[in-house]
Amino acid sequence: DTAVSQTPKYLVTQMGNDKSIKCEQNLGHDTMYWYKQDSKKFLKIMFSYNNKELIINETVPNRFSPKSPDKAHLNLHINSLELGDSAVYFCASSQTYTGQMNTEAFFGQGTRLTVV
Amino acid sequence: QKEVEQDPGPLSVPEGAIVSLNCTYSNSAFQYFMWYRQYSRKGPELLMYTYSSGNKEDGRFTAQVDKSSKYISLFIRDSQPSDSATYLCATVAGTASKLTFGTGTRLQVTL
Repeated sequence: DTAVSQTPKYLVTQMGNDKSIKCEQNLGHDTMYWYKQDSKKFLKIMFSYNNKELIINETVPNRFSPKSPDKAHLNLHINSLELGDSAVYFCASSQTYTGQMNTEAFFGQGTRLTVV
Repeated sequence: QKEVEQDPGPLSVPEGAIVSLNCTYSNSAFQYFMWYRQYSRKGPELLMYTYSSGNKEDGRFTAQVDKSSKYISLFIRDSQPSDSATYLCATVAGTASKLTFGTGTRLQVTL
């Protein structure tokens, strides 16, 4: 009974292609995220959505476009893939409480993207 | 310079040892501090979180925060081979949703 699930788990593609990664959470959370983990294990936030609205957009190339059709889904579309996009992409979700810190983010298993 | 610094390791210890993992941070706005554990080929999972300076204990794990020196630690007592993983410290400023992670320390507990 997976809480945060991502597909695909592995993705190998050529430079210049366009690809999408899908994420779904069944925890009833209202906030979802995309994180990128590089080869040195450094995990950096890319985007965050709260109730389908974009609330965090770090300096990410505009080739990356997140889409949240509803609270339970946050997909990531990447255009014109480059070698440097190779990384593990993690989706996460959490519940936001008004005026409080939301401390626990639940992560998916990751999508290992390799651009060749 | 990254906002949260962490020694990447790897750190190798024998079973039963006490492990000390550390992070330093630069932003005084960081108020909440977390430790995530990440097994190979898996997503990070929350291990502990704390708000105030001082210690917080949970079983074999103790999280320690010193806000005056901007230093956070995780101690693992009686380490087990199953503790072998990458440990990531993370911080949040106020009610912001963004987690800022350290680079992670890879721990190997040997038999």
